[in-house]
Amino acid sequence: DADVTQTPRNRITKTGKRIMLECSQTKGHDRMYWYRQDPGLGLRLIYYSFDVKDINKGEISDGYSVSRQAQAKFSLSLESAIPNQTALYFCATSDRHRGANEKLFFGSGTQLSVL
Amino acid sequence: GESVGLHLPTLSVQEGDNSIINCAYSNSASDYFIWYKQESGKGPQFIIDIRSNMDKRQGQRVTVLLNKTVKHLSLQIAATQPGDSAVYFCAEIPTRGATNKLIFGTGTLLAVQP
Repeated sequence: DADVTQTPRNRITKTGKRIMLECSQTKGHDRMYWYRQDPGLGLRLIYYSFDVKDINKGEISDGYSVSRQAQAKFSLSLESAIPNQTALYFCATSDRHRGANEKLFFGSGTQLSVL
Repeated sequence: GESVGLHLPTLSVQEGDNSIINCAYSNSASDYFIWYKQESGKGPQFIIDIRSNMDKRQGQRVTVLLNKTVKHLSLQIAATQPGDSAVYFCAEIPTRGATNKLIFGTGTLLAVQP
């Protein structure tokens, strides 16, 4: 979805390096999420944020941190990358308003490879 | 980069035929279900959704069926086209509004043969 933009699209890095993946959205949604996707495992939630002052751990937060700099921006950091963090990472947004459906809008993904 | 299609069950259909993709969900109390389509190199895209108080919902060329008795969800695509080739996966939410608890299936690769 062009309204949710992730940068970079691809990144190759070395073990131990610090990496930041960025996400910005123009949908005006309050809720933002970071997922990783691995073959055969489906999407797993890393962190989520329901508004600018709200940060919550997801299913697999170890080794990751996030920052919600503004309503439209949510970045994911790997403080010291390791090879098993090689995956496809997705940012997503959703509308918080009661009565709105719960569908998520995804960015195009960042393929991260840790050597 | 790695393909999200690796290790996935695959459904191969002829162009013009109808496709049925199945999903077994985990929580009998889940309130809301979504089907997503993921094309190669892209993020998941919403196709259709259904609440637990319904058993069928139709969209454009797609129909979702929900069988709560056996915790089964299916996506039917009519007159399948080459552009329908993608990975399809279902997702469930246990409680209305609990988007942080969305559970995604692992997906089915739909391959449309010309």
